[in-house]
Amino acid sequence: RKEVEQDPGPFNVPEGATVAFNCTYSNSASQSFFWYRQDCRKEPKLLMSVYSSGNEDGRFTAQLNRASQYISLLIRDSKLSDSATYLCVGNTGGFKTIFGAGTRLFVKA
Amino acid sequence: NAGVTQTPKFQVLKTGQSMTLQCAQDMNHNSMYWYRQDPGMGLRLIYYSASEGTTDKGEVPNGYNVSRLNKREFSLRLESAAPSQTSVYFCASSENGIQPQHFGDGTRLSIL
Repeated sequence: RKEVEQDPGPFNVPEGATVAFNCTYSNSASQSFFWYRQDCRKEPKLLMSVYSSGNEDGRFTAQLNRASQYISLLIRDSKLSDSATYLCVGNTGGFKTIFGAGTRLFVKA
Repeated sequence: NAGVTQTPKFQVLKTGQSMTLQCAQDMNHNSMYWYRQDPGMGLRLIYYSASEGTTDKGEVPNGYNVSRLNKREFSLRLESAAPSQTSVYFCASSENGIQPQHFGDGTRLSIL
């Protein structure tokens, strides 16, 4: 089993839709979690950190469920510009950061 | 404010040639990382440097060497390139092992 697993998608949604991604992790010692966004042929860019209490940034909400060992990302009111690959990341604080393979999102007009 | 700078951006090598990928960060970060990204595989950690003067193997270190030249610079060397090393290589840096990483814009390497 991979340490961090994501549904590869693709998710195809119309503009204005709400879409949710889940990511599971196997290492219970994982301390910090993040969501990154990666556009085609570009570098990953930090979208948001994920905290145990959950956090929100505009249309984006991230949640962490330690008991079930998953993190989630909710995107509300999807925009065409949200089309990208979304990567979840976990690390144990030991520098060996583990990236999920990514979930592709296509937002259609 | 450059962030993380990688050179070169593109390179084509022949099997058996050697080359060094350069990475520099101007954010005064302690930790630096090298990843490769292949289609459908996600990012895989090659080597990392927790702090100046230290380097450690990641998930896929075979065929690579690294040097943490100083706090700013972390280079990746391919001693004898193989076609299996054709990939996109990303360098990243972070304050420490828990904080998020900031990435350079990648080096696209093809080995024929």
